[in-house]
Amino acid sequence: QKQLQESGPGLVRPSQTLSLTCTVSGGSISSGDYYWSWIRQHPGKGLEWIGHIDHSGSSYHNPSLRSRVAMSVDTSKNHFSLKLKSVTAADTAVYYCASRENADWYFDLWGRGTLVTVSS
Amino acid sequence: QSVLTQPPSVSGAPGQKVTISCTGSGPNIGAGYGVHWYQQLPGRAPKLLIYDNTKRPSGVPDRFSGSKSGTSASLAITGLQAEDEADYYCQSYDSNLSVWVFGGGTKMTVL
Repeated sequence: QKQLQESGPGLVRPSQTLSLTCTVSGGSISSGDYYWSWIRQHPGKGLEWIGHIDHSGSSYHNPSLRSRVAMSVDTSKNHFSLKLKSVTAADTAVYYCASRENADWYFDLWGRGTLVTVSS
Repeated sequence: QSVLTQPPSVSGAPGQKVTISCTGSGPNIGAGYGVHWYQQLPGRAPKLLIYDNTKRPSGVPDRFSGSKSGTSASLAITGLQAEDEADYYCQSYDSNLSVWVFGGGTKMTVL
C-alpha cells in the first residue's frame, strides 16, 4: 500500500533555504492520479497547507508563502520536493507530505512528518 | 487565527458521547465545500477520519460520525474509549483565499 516518507535536514540556519523530499512507495507519482502536498504544523499549533504539485510538475502554493516556495517532482525517483527560502524562526515546524486524489478535496494519506528547526 | 473555528478542548468519560464543532463561513463550508476530519494521536501524523462531511474511510469505526449544516460541521464520537484521546482537526477549502484550510484543532481528553 502507498506510503509517504519525508527526508531532509532537521536544522536550517536563518536566511537559508529549507529543502525537503517526500518519497512515495507502493504507488507511482507518474500515474497522475494525485496531487502531492506539503503541510506544516508549528509546535503545539494547527495545520497550514503550503502547496501541491502534480506529476507534470505543475504546482500551486499558499499565497501567504508563494514568493518563498518552490516545488518540484522527480518521477524517475518517485519523489517530490519542497524548497522554502529565506527561512526564519517562524518557519520552525513539523513538515508533512500528503496525497490528495485529483477529484477529492481531502488528504487521504500523510507521511510521518519531519521536524525542521530554524536556528543559528 | 484559523479560518475554521474549533473549540480548543472537549472531554468525556469512557462510554459517553462527545461532539466537536467546526464553524466556517460563506467562502468555505457555506459555499458547499466538503468538511473533512483528521485524528492526530500524540506524536503521530494526522490520519483521515471522516471525508466529504459524513463518510468514513475503511477501517474507521462507526463510533465516529460527521455532519454538516450551513456554515458549520460536527464530529461525533460515541462509546468513548481511552484510545480516542487525540487532537482532532477539521478541514475544508476556501474559495476566497484559494487554499485548503484547517481548524485550529480540538484536544479530546478521556476522563
